[in-house]
Amino acid sequence: DVKVTQSSRYLVKRTGEKVFLECVQDMDHENMFWYRQDPGLGLRLIYFSYDVKMKEKGDIPEGYSVSREKKERFSLILESASTNQTSMYLCASSSSAGSHEKLFFGSGTQLSVL
Amino acid sequence: DAKTTQPPSMDCAEGRAANLPCNHSTISGNEYVYWYRQIHSQGPQYIIHGLKNNETNEMASLIITEDRKSSTLILPHATLRDTAVYYCIVRVASNNLFFGTGTRLTVIP
Repeated sequence: DVKVTQSSRYLVKRTGEKVFLECVQDMDHENMFWYRQDPGLGLRLIYFSYDVKMKEKGDIPEGYSVSREKKERFSLILESASTNQTSMYLCASSSSAGSHEKLFFGSGTQLSVL
Repeated sequence: DAKTTQPPSMDCAEGRAANLPCNHSTISGNEYVYWYRQIHSQGPQYIIHGLKNNETNEMASLIITEDRKSSTLILPHATLRDTAVYYCIVRVASNNLFFGTGTRLTVIP
């Protein structure tokens, strides 16, 4: 089975800190995604990547950046964390074999910014 | 992209079929219907997807109306482990799925 691993299950950071959320997948998937999930708002797409060193903005990219230096790893970066970035962050990956490939998700990182 | 409407919550007795409805009246001809679910404290999990024909796999069946304006996800014999939030998503392809708030299904013993 595909495994998508997020480096931390829980993270507490202070306002203004630079935060790195790491995601690694082990199935050689081309596509990787970062979502955030907030109560009442569902999952919202932040950034995604179709290939190494490529990135595309999702629906809510403001305040975030990403890095895809290796195919298996997709990092989400909060340059200067703010309290409104307190959220559950979910990473996902999928194959590019077809247009309707399944997304496989990690278990999420609950980030609290104080 | 077409918007979907789902009831916020539903209950189902264990062992009975769970029928989860989804309205997508503005769906366009090339948009697919996807279903995912999210069990508490886990990431979402793919269930099934379809365009216009009914689909079935080992997890569920997807029934899409002839006019494609609504669909129903059927879990034929619900178990306690099926308690989750179920998301109905309409999209051209799976590379940018919008997850709304879904339906919280509670399977009751």
